[in-house]
Amino acid sequence: GAVVSQHPSRVICKSGTSVKIECRSLDFQATTMFWYRQFPKKSLMLMATSNEGSKATYEQGVEKDKFLINHASLTLSTLTVTSAHPEDSSFYICSAIRFEAFFGQGTRLTVV
Amino acid sequence: DQQVKQNSPSLSVQEGRISILNCDYTNSMFDYFLWYKKYPAEGPTFLISISSIKDKNEDGRFTVFLNKSAKHLSLHIVPSQPGDSAVYFCAAGTSGTYKYIFGTGTRLKVLA
Repeated sequence: GAVVSQHPSRVICKSGTSVKIECRSLDFQATTMFWYRQFPKKSLMLMATSNEGSKATYEQGVEKDKFLINHASLTLSTLTVTSAHPEDSSFYICSAIRFEAFFGQGTRLTVV
Repeated sequence: DQQVKQNSPSLSVQEGRISILNCDYTNSMFDYFLWYKKYPAEGPTFLISISSIKDKNEDGRFTVFLNKSAKHLSLHIVPSQPGDSAVYFCAAGTSGTYKYIFGTGTRLKVLA
């Protein structure tokens, strides 16, 4: 299957700082990527659709100024958690589309 | 409102026997369904999918059944192997959008 890589896999940051998470499609081009968030023992919740060359589309209840998404190229989308707070601590996962949705390995964000 | 539900949070099965994981959905607009397997701290791995024009799709040891009238799908794994132990998510969406709604997951444990 297609390979999607997320970086970093784990990050700890201080409250009030910003954190950038990268999602790369390694062996294919993806005009569309998705960002999900998973709370402990909960489902993956779709946060936003990242569109190459245009603005991201956010799901209801997701703060677009808080979670900045940039899809600057056909192989890279970034999610920046701005002014992070402890409640932003979560597991963030991206997916990229190549006939099917392929997921990255996820990023565990801990805000202290 | 949980549009995709997996009512069994966990399931234990003996090696060699059949594992049956269930999933219910409420949105009649969904016409594409998938199963993903997830290990801790990793992104989901695509397992098998089914379109609403079918009621069964088989891939090796994995078979997905879809009952549209009951808005129910199930994943059968036979024979189950210890390496199948993981959390299984069902997901549903509208074909072509790749925006999937995930269930809460079922943790499968296959006992040797």
